[in-house]
Amino acid sequence: AQTVTQSQPEMSVQEAETVTLSCTYDTSENNYYLFWYKQPPSRQMILVIRQEAYKQQNATENRFSVNFQKAAKSFSLKISDSQLGDTAMYFCAFNSHGNEKLTFGTGTRLTIIP
Amino acid sequence: DAGVIQSPRHEVTEMGQEVTLRCKPISGHNSLFWYRQTMMRGLELLIYFNNNVPIDDSGMPEDRFSAKMPNASFSTLKIQPSEPRDSAVYFCASTPTASQVETQYFGPGTRLLVL
Repeated sequence: AQTVTQSQPEMSVQEAETVTLSCTYDTSENNYYLFWYKQPPSRQMILVIRQEAYKQQNATENRFSVNFQKAAKSFSLKISDSQLGDTAMYFCAFNSHGNEKLTFGTGTRLTIIP
Repeated sequence: DAGVIQSPRHEVTEMGQEVTLRCKPISGHNSLFWYRQTMMRGLELLIYFNNNVPIDDSGMPEDRFSAKMPNASFSTLKIQPSEPRDSAVYFCASTPTASQVETQYFGPGTRLLVL
């Protein structure tokens, strides 16, 4: 069974700084997908970024980028120039190719301090 | 384009009452997922459908919970009778196709409180 671990329950950082959220996973699959979802106080689950395991290049979306280390089974999220609107819970998620079920981590609560 | 639509957004009910949560997936999406989120258990997949057919309901907690998808644009999650421990945020999500892994797009959720 796949597992996703987020070892940082809470983090805080000053506005405009850079922050990195950690995620590790365990799987025996070779072809899979990793996601970061953001859940602001509104509770909406919003996709931040996605990475296909077969791609060596790290995914980026504006201020959001990942550091995908397949051998280490690590998938961290870097937020650059953090903004107050980035305050949210962040969930790392995994699914393997051909399996629609997402496995979520327990989340990291990120607070951006003005 | 409209995203996944859920109704109601908030529901307060008394123990023993029937509760029905509704979801309209994104048009053209073939797969639909129901999740429950609580502080204690995090995000749990309850059931998912592909082309209106239930594929995996192993996450449905007990017989009090049932889900249907009568057509491609509508699904319900019913709890009868409801209990206080059912209080949670219930999310519906959809994806375009089952033939390849695609990103799940979530609705805004229904916040359920059972008194």
